[in-house]
Amino acid sequence: AQTVTQSQPEMSVQEAETVTLSCTYDTSESDYYLFWYKQPPSRQMILVIRQEAYKQQNATENRFSVNFQKAAKSFSLKISDSQLGDAAMYFCAYRRIGNAGNMLTFGGGTRLMVKP
Amino acid sequence: NAGVMQNPRHLVRRRGQEARLRCSPMKGHSHVYWYRQLPEEGLKFMVYLQKENIIDESGMPKERFSAEFPKEGPSILRIQQVVRGDSAAYFCASSLQAAGPYEQYFGPGTRLTVT
Repeated sequence: AQTVTQSQPEMSVQEAETVTLSCTYDTSESDYYLFWYKQPPSRQMILVIRQEAYKQQNATENRFSVNFQKAAKSFSLKISDSQLGDAAMYFCAYRRIGNAGNMLTFGGGTRLMVKP
Repeated sequence: NAGVMQNPRHLVRRRGQEARLRCSPMKGHSHVYWYRQLPEEGLKFMVYLQKENIIDESGMPKERFSAEFPKEGPSILRIQQVVRGDSAAYFCASSLQAAGPYEQYFGPGTRLTVT
């Protein structure tokens, strides 16, 4: 079974600075998807960024980028130029490729606080 | 283009009552997933349905919980004889296809409180 681990329950960053959130996962599959979701106080799950395991290039979305280390099964999220609106819970998630087992497997989350 | 709709947003039930949670997927989406989020935890998969079929219910408790996604109408997650441990946020997500790079779009969730 796949597992996703986020070892940082809480992180804090100064506004305009950079922060990195960690995620490791365990799988025996060679192809899969990895995601970072943001959950603000409204509880709405918002997709931040997605990485296909077969792509060597790290995904980027504006101020958000990932460091995907397939051999180490590590998938960290870097937020540059942090803004107050980035304060939220962040969840790392894994999904298999294929027709079976399409569910997302989530980590326990990291609460990000942004200091003005 | 409406997103995934869930209702009610908040539901309060006494122990022993039934809870019915509804999810209307995005237009054109025929794949629905239910997840549960206990306080201070990540989301946990419960069940995956296509129209009129349960595809994977490996995450659903064996007793008291059931789900359906009829040909017409929303998907329903039903919890019978609720207990305090059922208090959680229940999220529904839908996707256009199951396989491939198709994103699951999440609804706003239903927060169930059992008193």
